[in-house]
Amino acid sequence: KAGVTQTPRYLIKTRGQQVTLSCSPISGHRSVSWYQQTPGQGLQFLFEYFSETQRNKGNFPGRFSGRQFSNSRSEMNVSTLELGDSALYLCASSFNREYEQYFGPGTRLTVT
Amino acid sequence: AQSVTQLGSHVSVSEGALVLLRCNYSSSVPPYLFWYVQYPNQGLQLLLKYTSAATLVKGINGFEAEFKKSETSFHLTKPSAHMSDAAEYFCAVSERGSQGNLIFGKGTKLSVKP
Repeated sequence: KAGVTQTPRYLIKTRGQQVTLSCSPISGHRSVSWYQQTPGQGLQFLFEYFSETQRNKGNFPGRFSGRQFSNSRSEMNVSTLELGDSALYLCASSFNREYEQYFGPGTRLTVT
Repeated sequence: AQSVTQLGSHVSVSEGALVLLRCNYSSSVPPYLFWYVQYPNQGLQLLLKYTSAATLVKGINGFEAEFKKSETSFHLTKPSAHMSDAAEYFCAVSERGSQGNLIFGKGTKLSVKP
């Protein structure tokens, strides 16, 4: 089985712009979660989606949003980018909410 | 609220020596517990998890961890370190019944000396 795929792998954006990151889960997985990883704050939970519905949301401003499609693929969007949004964004998928998560390689976002 | 504390941001061992990475959790109810490993420029790989039943959990690559409720700990061990074990290790917790919202510790970077 193919693993979790994230696109793009690297991205450079300018402050004030917006960005959309994509995540394709492992085939058959219906739950997708997103995490932000920075040197200062470590790994922080952004949101969790299951069956196209947001089930949990972390403590991030409203500029961070996401969605899940009927094929379980997910996107996250960050609007009005700030320098502090530079991070590795990790997507994880699982069969359902009660199973362990498998992580993708991440998207490295740099905001200049 | 749940939280995870990993003691030691950096641990260095010699090849062949015991690896011990410490993790303590804070939760009113015993949660699910996980150890993940991250190699440079890669995502996270699940090493092992504790959800119930057996308190000694065996994972991949020779790692194991023991859940100790009385000590609220879930330390990761490996009897003999290998050079390929050099990576960053993360302990995480989630609520029972839902593994989609992981709370991670700050991570411990393991170095292995030849």
